[in-house]
Amino acid sequence: DIQMTQSPSSLSASVGDRVTITCRASQSISSYLNWYQQKPGKAPKFLIYAAFSLESGVPSRFSGSGSGTDFTLTISSLQPEDFATYYCQQTYNTPHSFGQGTKLEIK
Amino acid sequence: EVQLVESGGGLVQPGRSLRLSCAASGFTFDDYAMYWVRQAPGKGLEWVSGINWNSGTIGYADSVKGRFTISRDNAKNCLYLQMNSLRAEDMALYYCAKGSSGSVSYYYMDVWGKGTTVTVSS
Repeated sequence: DIQMTQSPSSLSASVGDRVTITCRASQSISSYLNWYQQKPGKAPKFLIYAAFSLESGVPSRFSGSGSGTDFTLTISSLQPEDFATYYCQQTYNTPHSFGQGTKLEIK
Repeated sequence: EVQLVESGGGLVQPGRSLRLSCAASGFTFDDYAMYWVRQAPGKGLEWVSGINWNSGTIGYADSVKGRFTISRDNAKNCLYLQMNSLRAEDMALYYCAKGSSGSVSYYYMDVWGKGTTVTVSS
């Protein structure tokens, strides 16, 4: 099975900051990497697919990059509504494992 | 409006069974793969199972393989998860999610339900 490792596990930042979350796969997954955002008490929301393609309606301050085993999610200028937990997920092989999550908190 | 509504959760004793359902509406159900994802209290997301549009391709997490069975009824627009031999570690909020294509792999989950809670305790 493919293991997904996110770093950091938590991150404190301020509104307006640029933040980057990394996700590493235990083997190559090509570009089959998705990102989700989850706020407390809510279902996850899909953000980015195929490593860098933004879902319709997702603000352009979100971007994704990477291929193979190393991927990043970048938020260029944090907004108050961006404070949440972010998960990467690979869909190259079943089981479609998630990273452990990165909790983005307000500094 | 695309909607997924899970049901069937509840309190169950270890070793017993439970069947979750997910009623889908607002889209052509049999065009898309479907998934179950769970989240234990205070923990991260865990992919449980996925099924392609015609039930021809199915996958499971190692933690549930041999105990859980995913299925779908395209005539009823419904996804199911039969959970047998339940353990304390199966206790979680179970989400139903819609795939972005008919294939299980390579795509993403674009719509999620609100989840149904499974509690395993004696």
